Amino acid sequence: DAKTTQPPSMDCAEGRAANLPCNHSTISGNEYVYWYRQIHSQGPQYIIHGLKNNETNEMASLIITEDRKSSTLILPHATLRDTAVYYCIVRIGSSNTGKLIFGQGTTLQVKP
Amino acid sequence: GAGVSQSPRYKVAKRGQDVALRCDPISGHVSLFWYQQALGQGPEFLTYFQNEAQLDKSGLPSDRFFAERPEGSVSTLKIQRTQQEDSAVYLCASSLSGAAGDLAKNIQYFGAGTRLSVL
Repeated sequence: DAKTTQPPSMDCAEGRAANLPCNHSTISGNEYVYWYRQIHSQGPQYIIHGLKNNETNEMASLIITEDRKSSTLILPHATLRDTAVYYCIVRIGSSNTGKLIFGQGTTLQVKP
Repeated sequence: GAGVSQSPRYKVAKRGQDVALRCDPISGHVSLFWYQQALGQGPEFLTYFQNEAQLDKSGLPSDRFFAERPEGSVSTLKIQRTQQEDSAVYLCASSLSGAAGDLAKNIQYFGAGTRLSVL
């Protein structure tokens, strides 16, 4: 599975959009981009995933560049409860195990 | 229950003791995963079950770590002769389908974890 690079930390004002970048320059054609987040003392929570088209759900939007070498997770109206570590993960759609390989993630601090 | 349940939430063990950590996956979920998360780090894969079959145990750090899922539902992670470096949060996740299935059914749902402290 391809490696991802994320900034270690970011701040965002409450009510504003939070844009979390991820670089995955070695991604291959059959690899998907997944985003999970982990709030303190909880297990990781699935947010969204995509292959090459932009995706949106009730939690967030995922924008993937045309060359698929980077993506951005957008939380449109961040709240204090969105403070968490956000993990960008790249993995093959159908693999032998489906295991997730987490990096260090981005610690997002939403401030009032 | 509605989610993945892990017990105990906290476990303190003396070095050399054996521990057993339990995971109750979401009912009907075929796949079950164990991860280990050291303080300040992202979770790291330990092992994977599809039903009762352990298909991947490549992440288990030593032969002191053993996992089972005898009836394809509840799973237990056992650590023998615990060492201080085993102190971590142990996370369990389950997904509806097998690894090669529909991606929408392949999303992993995590429990809150068991925090193990070895003194």
